[in-house]
Amino acid sequence: GENVEQHPSTLSVQEGDSAVIKCTYSDSASNYFPWYKQELGKGPQLIIDIRSNVGEKKDQRIAVTLNKTAKHFSLHITETQPEDSAVYFCADTGKNRDDKIIFGKGTRLHILP
Amino acid sequence: DSGVTQTPKHLITATGQRVTLRCSPRSGDLSVYWYQQSLDQGLQFLIQYYNGEERAKGNILERFSAQQFPDLHSELNLSSLELGDSALYFCASSAAGLYGYTFGSGTRLTVV
Repeated sequence: GENVEQHPSTLSVQEGDSAVIKCTYSDSASNYFPWYKQELGKGPQLIIDIRSNVGEKKDQRIAVTLNKTAKHFSLHITETQPEDSAVYFCADTGKNRDDKIIFGKGTRLHILP
Repeated sequence: DSGVTQTPKHLITATGQRVTLRCSPRSGDLSVYWYQQSLDQGLQFLIQYYNGEERAKGNILERFSAQQFPDLHSELNLSSLELGDSALYFCASSAAGLYGYTFGSGTRLTVV
């Protein structure tokens, strides 16, 4: 993958509400789409990923959906909690498992009390 | 602890100087990736090594170079430093044939 667009750049949601972050990619050969969460002062941490043979994947309060035809994928966080406040990055890699990962510019998520 | 170790955690140096950042990947991981994170630039891919060989190159400046040693640790060398090189530098590693990678906690470089 060579180009990943991510939006919004900043998102504020009330605690308990849902948050959605969207990304689009350009390389139709891409087949692996991870999401990373970066807390202040730490390195990015993989929170969920999806492969191109799957349309949706869920892990407790987080889910990722993939639309290969439209080349976009989204992160959904339900029942948001204060600890969800962080910067979230979507990413795209090439068709090979060891390919470099190209990141979106990130979304700063604020959970409001 | 992610298993990827980066040293030093913080580095302050003057313009024109040269520094070396070190990364030890997770045990058994053959690939090492270097990223630069500036305030307004997100995570920029610099370079990837796989089992000692350069695999992919991003927008890495000619003043920057890297290598991966036989024990699989990697070093990123930054020379003729400029104020604009101030950033967080992350290393990540991945296992051969597996998706996704693990990041270290980064080195914060400040050039004054």
